[in-house]
Amino acid sequence: DTGVSQDPRHKITKRGQNVTFRCDPISEHNRLYWYRQTLGQGPEFLTYFQNEAQLEKSRLLSDRFSAERPKGSFSTLEIQRTEQGDSAMYLCASSPGGQGSPLHFGNGTRLTVT
Amino acid sequence: AQSVTQLDSQVPVFEEAPVELRCNYSSSVSVYLFWYVQYPNQGLQLLLKYLSGSTLVKGINGFEDEFNKSQTSFHLRKPSVHISDTAEYFCAVSEGITGGGNKLTFGTGTQLKVEL
Repeated sequence: DTGVSQDPRHKITKRGQNVTFRCDPISEHNRLYWYRQTLGQGPEFLTYFQNEAQLEKSRLLSDRFSAERPKGSFSTLEIQRTEQGDSAMYLCASSPGGQGSPLHFGNGTRLTVT
Repeated sequence: AQSVTQLDSQVPVFEEAPVELRCNYSSSVSVYLFWYVQYPNQGLQLLLKYLSGSTLVKGINGFEDEFNKSQTSFHLRKPSVHISDTAEYFCAVSEGITGGGNKLTFGTGTQLKVEL
């Protein structure tokens, strides 16, 4: 169990640019989640995959955001035309599934939009 | 929708003293409850989980939780804290979603600061 891996750890970008983050879940976990955490707040749910299927999206996920998990393994989160309000920590988590299964989180990608 | 309230944004405590971090949630149905800890610039680590059964749950690092269904609370406790316990603590309530997923709703966090 190597844990959930996220890349990059930090990303600084200028407003209007596109950014993409990658998440590699724990290998035997078929469920993958993206959360966003702003300063002083708890993580907020963005979206969820079971294998390659994206089953739920939060209303926080505007049309500038897109997430994929093409082969049911790693996932990417892309933000187009970034805005300063997108600055946050983006956390990925995975779980083996089933209600009550705890989520295992990566160390996150901290995005700063200047 | 679930809501989770952490009653204290900051809790200062001296080393070796006991501590309680309070958390209330809003739900009239059975839920699964979790506590996570977050160190600076890191992700969240699971401290403990309550699924069912006994109201007292033991977690890692000496933490324990007491679940009170009638008051919809689950407070995190540790009898004696250490400097290394300084961190942000989040409680979370789960909500089942499509495909057997487990969506967590988090509180806003409690910063525990342990002082000498």
